[in-house]
Amino acid sequence: AQSVTQPDIHITVSEGASLELRCNYSYGATPYLFWYVQSPGQGLQLLLKYFSGDTLVQGIKGFEAEFKRSQSSFNLRKPSVHWSDAAEYFCAVLNYGQNFVFGPGTRLSVLP
Amino acid sequence: DGGITQSPKYLFRKEGQNVTLSCEQNLNHDAMYWYRQDPGQGLRLIYYSQIVNDFQKGDIAEGYSVSREKKESFPLTVTSAQKNPTAFYLCASSGPPLPNTGELFFGEGSRLTVL
Repeated sequence: AQSVTQPDIHITVSEGASLELRCNYSYGATPYLFWYVQSPGQGLQLLLKYFSGDTLVQGIKGFEAEFKRSQSSFNLRKPSVHWSDAAEYFCAVLNYGQNFVFGPGTRLSVLP
Repeated sequence: DGGITQSPKYLFRKEGQNVTLSCEQNLNHDAMYWYRQDPGQGLRLIYYSQIVNDFQKGDIAEGYSVSREKKESFPLTVTSAQKNPTAFYLCASSGPPLPNTGELFFGEGSRLTVL
């Protein structure tokens, strides 16, 4: 069965520091990969997605992610974190059944 | 503006009562989904519907029921058979079947608390 792991439950970074959130997936073919962000008590918003082509994808709010097939990874990065980036981040894969499988999420805290 | 509306935002229920969570979308999307979110567990799929008058069980359908009589609406009923219903419930929709953008659009969620 498809699965998505996010090894870090909680990450704390200082404002202005760089950020990398890890995501690994288990899937038999080239997956469709996504990163979503959730502010407290809100729904999820799409940050970026990868279907094919260039393995480095750009998203909203200055985020980017890189697909590495050899590592089954799709890590999210941002060069300089802002206080407003504090939220929970979910990696997800879309499988052939047209259902999304979500990782458990990584909560990001930002220190002033 | 186009989007997904969930109501109510907060709901309290006594044990043994059924409750229905509303989800309406005006995005003209074919597919709709219900997820349950618990701390540290991410999102788990309850039910989904790819087309009107058809729906499928997700990973944790026991104790829940849905209907899809209209394209715009996908209500979720949490029945008394659901043993641990206190959670945050998210409704989502997506456009045409694959290959498509695959993006999920989410409502703002409904928080159900059982007293």
